[in-house]
Amino acid sequence: RKEVEQDPGPFNVPEGATVAFNCTYSNSASQSFFWYRQDCRKEPKLLMSVYSSGNEDGRFTAQLNRASQYISLLIRDSKLSDSATYLCVVELNAGKSTFGDGTTLTVKP
Amino acid sequence: GAVVSQHPSRVICKSGTSVKIECRSLDFQATTMFWYRQFPKKSLMLMATSNEGSKATYEQGVEKDKFLINHASLTLSTLTVTSAHPEDSSFYICSARPTGAAQYFGPGTRLTVT
Repeated sequence: RKEVEQDPGPFNVPEGATVAFNCTYSNSASQSFFWYRQDCRKEPKLLMSVYSSGNEDGRFTAQLNRASQYISLLIRDSKLSDSATYLCVVELNAGKSTFGDGTTLTVKP
Repeated sequence: GAVVSQHPSRVICKSGTSVKIECRSLDFQATTMFWYRQFPKKSLMLMATSNEGSKATYEQGVEKDKFLINHASLTLSTLTVTSAHPEDSSFYICSARPTGAAQYFGPGTRLTVT
């Protein structure tokens, strides 16, 4: 079993749709959680950190469920510019990040 | 957010030559930097952790004599791919972490070995 698992997609959605990505992790001692987005042939860029209380940044909402070892990312009112690969990142400690393989999103007009 | 730069962004070299990639933190000091490689349609795989003033920590399966890492200052780490072969062709990305924050990635270096 992979340490961090994501549904690879691809997710193809129309503009304005709401889409949700899921991520599960295997190590219950993991401490920090993040969502990054990566555009084709570019480096990952931090989208948001994920907290147990849940956090929201504009159209993006992230949730963490430690009991189920599950992280989610919800994107509302999808824009064409949201098309990218979304990476779930789990950190055991400050020195060790494990990346999911990513979920590809394509938003179509 | 924090800024990490990488140089070169793209390099093509012949088999058997060595290639050096630089990673710099531009607006913060980084005692630790990370080197990743990424194959097409795959996620990032951590190669090694670069520690300022001491030896790098390599992940299992990564040859330390092949991938030389030097972290000579608080803002610069270098990765040298020695005696490069076509299978070393990949996207190499470094990252650094401002204290207590998430990782910030450099723009990556695309290496092609012919």
